[in-house]
Amino acid sequence: EPEVTQTPSHQVTQMGQEVILRCVPISNHLYFYWYRQILGQKVEFLVSFYNNEISEKSEIFDDQFSVERPDGSNFTLKIRSTKLEDSAMYFCASSLRDGNQPQHFGDGTRLSIL
Amino acid sequence: LAKTTQPISMDSYEGQEVNITCSHNNIATNDYITWYQQFPSQGPRFIIQGYKTKVTNEVASLFIPADRKSSTLSLPRVSLSDTAVYYCLVGDGAGNNRKLIWGLGTSLAVNP
Repeated sequence: EPEVTQTPSHQVTQMGQEVILRCVPISNHLYFYWYRQILGQKVEFLVSFYNNEISEKSEIFDDQFSVERPDGSNFTLKIRSTKLEDSAMYFCASSLRDGNQPQHFGDGTRLSIL
Repeated sequence: LAKTTQPISMDSYEGQEVNITCSHNNIATNDYITWYQQFPSQGPRFIIQGYKTKVTNEVASLFIPADRKSSTLSLPRVSLSDTAVYYCLVGDGAGNNRKLIWGLGTSLAVNP
């Protein structure tokens, strides 16, 4: 079964540094998402992306964050000037279409900010 | 956005059927109900989705009454490997799952 893959599985970064989290969505999917989950807390929506544009974003997704689909397969989340509170699991997901379509998640990148 | 309410935790034993009920009183006409499973340090995994009545797949069944204000995920004959957190989600009120709002889910513990 096709799956969403994320790299790296664990990223350790000094506070203030930039970090790029990478995702390869399922190949025929058109909608892409980033979520984060702080340890022991809820999964939180960050952003959705379609047709090379952000279609929706949450209040968490401020100017510190950006997303990009640099080629036909990768989908990246960039966090500029990381803060301690950015430490979390970051999940990428994709879905075939919009509307009531199940989202398929990767296993996440654990981001640790020191 | 429709809010969902589920039990925080449940306990069961191997071989039993487990039913997890979720309430979503304000579900919108266009919204589907979707259930995910999450193991520690893994991403959520899609289990099942439905709109009304009953849906069954190789993993679970989903029962949705006519008023759609609740739904019940049924896991037949659970095993230890079904120990996980189970999330019930509904859409954003406009028929989209684009911006899923997650609760704390139901932490299911399956005991030997």
